[in-house]
Amino acid sequence: EAQVTQNPRYLITVTGKKLTVTCSQNMNHEYMSWYRQDPGLGLRQIYYSMNVEVTDKGDVPEGYKVSRKEKRNFPLILESPSPNQTSLYFCASSLRATAVSYNEQFFGPGTRLTVL
Amino acid sequence: AQSVTQPDIHITVSEGASLELRCNYSYGATPYLFWYVQSPGQGLQLLLKYFSGDTLVQGIKGFEAEFKRSQSSFNLRKPSVHWSDAAEYFCAVVGGNYGGSQGNLIFGKGTKLSVKP
Repeated sequence: EAQVTQNPRYLITVTGKKLTVTCSQNMNHEYMSWYRQDPGLGLRQIYYSMNVEVTDKGDVPEGYKVSRKEKRNFPLILESPSPNQTSLYFCASSLRATAVSYNEQFFGPGTRLTVL
Repeated sequence: AQSVTQPDIHITVSEGASLELRCNYSYGATPYLFWYVQSPGQGLQLLLKYFSGDTLVQGIKGFEAEFKRSQSSFNLRKPSVHWSDAAEYFCAVVGGNYGGSQGNLIFGKGTKLSVKP
C-alpha cells in the first residue's frame, strides 16, 4: 500500500531532550516536507526536500533540523525541544514539486508532540 | 505573499442538506488549488485539486469545487451531506516559485463541519 508513515504517533518529552520524528514513504517520491499544525494557525511548513541531499527552510524552521540521506526517509530532529514546539506534526511527500511539474502531496498520519 | 482565507471557522448543516465551504486565495499567478479533509485524529486526505482546464472539478466522496479566477475563489460543494462528512476542511494553494519555498502548501485556517442528524 502506498503510504507515508511517521513514528512515533504520540510523544511526550521534556524541555531540552533531543528527539527525532521519523518519516518514510514508499512511493519513490522526490519531494518531502514537514508541517506543523496549531489551533487557529492551520498548517505551516517547517522544512522541505526537493530530493536526496537537497533540503531547505520553510516558513517556521527555527528549532528544527532535517536530513535527506535516502530518498524514502526524511527525519525531523528537535535538538533541544521547547514547550512552544508542542504541536501536531505532519510529514508529506510528492512525486515532484517544481514550477514546471507539480504533483499533489500525500500526508502521513501525524505525530502529536508534547514538550513539558 | 500568497494567502488563503476560509471565512467560516465552524459550519453546522443538517444531514441531507447541501454544503458550500468558502475559500479565497491571494496568488499572483495561475494557482494550484486543493481541498483536504481531516477527520478527528486522522491525517489529511486530498479531496480534489485544480491545476488547469475545466474550472469545475470533481473529487472523492461526492465533493466538487469551482475555480473562479475573477473572484479568486475555490469553493467546495456537496449536494447532500452525510454524517460521516463531519470533519475539518482545509483549502490550500501552492506557494513558492515567487519568493517562497518550493512546493509549500499555503493552508487556510480550516472550516470545521458539524452535521446534525
